[in-house]
Amino acid sequence: ETGVTQSPTHLIKTRGQQVTLRCSSQSGHNTVSWYQQALGQGPQFIFQYYREEENGRGNFPPRFSGLQFPNYSSELNVNALELDDSALYLCASSLAGRAGNTIYFGEGSWLTVV
Amino acid sequence: AQTVTQSQPEMSVQEAETVTLSCTYDTSESDYYLFWYKQPPSRQMILVIRQEAYKQQNATENRFSVNFQKAAKSFSLKISDSQLGDAAMYFCAYMGANAGGTSYGKLTFGQGTILTVHP
Repeated sequence: ETGVTQSPTHLIKTRGQQVTLRCSSQSGHNTVSWYQQALGQGPQFIFQYYREEENGRGNFPPRFSGLQFPNYSSELNVNALELDDSALYLCASSLAGRAGNTIYFGEGSWLTVV
Repeated sequence: AQTVTQSQPEMSVQEAETVTLSCTYDTSESDYYLFWYKQPPSRQMILVIRQEAYKQQNATENRFSVNFQKAAKSFSLKISDSQLGDAAMYFCAYMGANAGGTSYGKLTFGQGTILTVHP
């Protein structure tokens, strides 16, 4: 049990729709990162949020966006869903300034786009 | 950009025996962290072991140890006395440790190695 919770755990969307995934970080952690993991692949970094601002972004298009709230929880939004967006989306929380210290992952949200 | 390569898509081991998973990485940064994560079918990403690049001593956590060769940019994981519960996908990952660097606080993962443990 890492203390990082994600919702929903599974969802199915239609191509072209929009989706919002949510993450509550480990208590005391002020940094949240999102990763996309396609089936059989390693996770790919999407972006990171620190103090409610985006703090680094991977190679993902602008239709992937996010938010971080004052309580450090976070949302990942994906617009204009494509079939290739089908993946496990992982949220990870950590404490800024202590890179390399334990990073806690949630159990992920499975997104299927049909 | 940093890259992480795991050249073994699948490995298998007999229960109680030892297995080594390979990982190589490429970076121009001088200070970084390396990790091995385990991902069972539940998909929860679990930290197995962590190595700080400035430390020459190889990290050890119970039955898990690493062979960190900084000059060769190699970071292998050895699992001793393998147990059925060790069966999972294993990922090697890199993170920059310089606060001003682009890879600071962000993990770059390899493609993974599926480990099967035979009773």
